[in-house]
Amino acid sequence: DAKTTQPTSMDCAEGRAANLPCNHSTISGNEYVYWYRQIHSQGPQYIIHGLKNNETNEMASLIITEDRKSSTLILPHATLRDTAVYYCIVEGSGAGSYQLTFGKGTKLSVIP
Amino acid sequence: DSGVTQTPKHLITATGQRVTLRCSPRSGDLSVYWYQQSLDQGLQFLIQYYNGEERAKGNILERFSAQQFPDLHSELNLSSLELGDSALYFCASSEDGGSTEAFFGQGTRLTVV
Repeated sequence: DAKTTQPTSMDCAEGRAANLPCNHSTISGNEYVYWYRQIHSQGPQYIIHGLKNNETNEMASLIITEDRKSSTLILPHATLRDTAVYYCIVEGSGAGSYQLTFGKGTKLSVIP
Repeated sequence: DSGVTQTPKHLITATGQRVTLRCSPRSGDLSVYWYQQSLDQGLQFLIQYYNGEERAKGNILERFSAQQFPDLHSELNLSSLELGDSALYFCASSEDGGSTEAFFGQGTRLTVV
């Protein structure tokens, strides 16, 4: 079973920030939060991951609450090409073995 | 382009047949993962290999098997195919088997008729 809860769908106006929430209330201390996205039927694409600190890269920012029970992925200036299903995944850093467990994700539609 | 190459892109075969899907990981990546995505099941983890050894097993059927070769490419073998095996099969690779980002190929679309 997926360890995360995400809204089924969201809309965002082009050029605005898209804020995608994720609840992971049962996360344990050694588990990371990963975000991937899948555009249509292409292979999923890694976006960002973090443990407890907020993270930023060229694609997005990841804000993790202090209790680590929820997080938000922020796409600062959404474009039409960001329309995709976004998956929030919680995964441990077990020695040499990890399997990304994809839930149903959030379908983000960026509207012109 | 993720650097992960999957062949073939499309495959149509009959029930009861056997097929082999191939994956070439990114240069330098030691870990390979296989996923199945069907319309009603979403993305399902099948199996992980790390440097030639099986590391993790997910919901992989006994009719399915995989291996990773010394050159690190991997093959997923699907046998006694059923209509329900029709799906997109993705391969991903990562530098190691730990908490690093995984890069996915574009998938093989298998249609069983």
